[in-house]
Amino acid sequence: DAGITQSPRHKVTETGTPVTLRCHQTENHRYMYWYRQDPGHGLRLIHYSYGVKDTDKGEVSDGYSVSRSKTEDFLLTLESATSSQTSVYFCAISDYQETQYFGPGTRLLVL
Amino acid sequence: GESVGLHLPTLSVQEGDNSIINCAYSNSASDYFIWYKQESGKGPQFIIDIRSNMDKRQGQRVTVLLNKTVKHLSLQIAATQPGDSAVYFCAENRKGGGADGLTFGKGTHLIIQP
Repeated sequence: DAGITQSPRHKVTETGTPVTLRCHQTENHRYMYWYRQDPGHGLRLIHYSYGVKDTDKGEVSDGYSVSRSKTEDFLLTLESATSSQTSVYFCAISDYQETQYFGPGTRLLVL
Repeated sequence: GESVGLHLPTLSVQEGDNSIINCAYSNSASDYFIWYKQESGKGPQFIIDIRSNMDKRQGQRVTVLLNKTVKHLSLQIAATQPGDSAVYFCAENRKGGGADGLTFGKGTHLIIQP
């Protein structure tokens, strides 16, 4: 998984609670991404980062925020989890805005 | 809608046969394409890539063909093995698309029959 870890790998939470997912890389890549993957939709970009403290919105950013205080860590926060945010979340990294390498994913269930 | 898609959602092949997975794209500005393999419960894994100035690129048991005239991309897997069972999807990078430039297709599920 190209030196990418995600934590937790599985999480069950209740509607309305905040949730933070962590992505950690050891590759020193500049770009980091958060995607969600749902049946019938493929991978959809939530937020991405192009450097420390530099982030931008993706296609499905509503209800999510991100932070990147260090090159190696990119956090995804669900401010108030909803059932529609039940999904598998993938972190990815890249060095030159091209090939992205993915982490193992986090399965999130919002009850 | 998405500019990258796949013709077939499921492809079933016999072990040992060659597999061909297809992908259509609509954005003529795309200049870089990637194939990923995703096994059940795992993250997508990079297989092979190709730039728009190439028509063909070969890797170990895999070949990617790019036909810019009809905006078509294919992945050929030679002598498929049980370990090739997975979902395969293509991605395109829009030229000048910035850091969020990759667009992903939904995927084709490749099933290897013994």
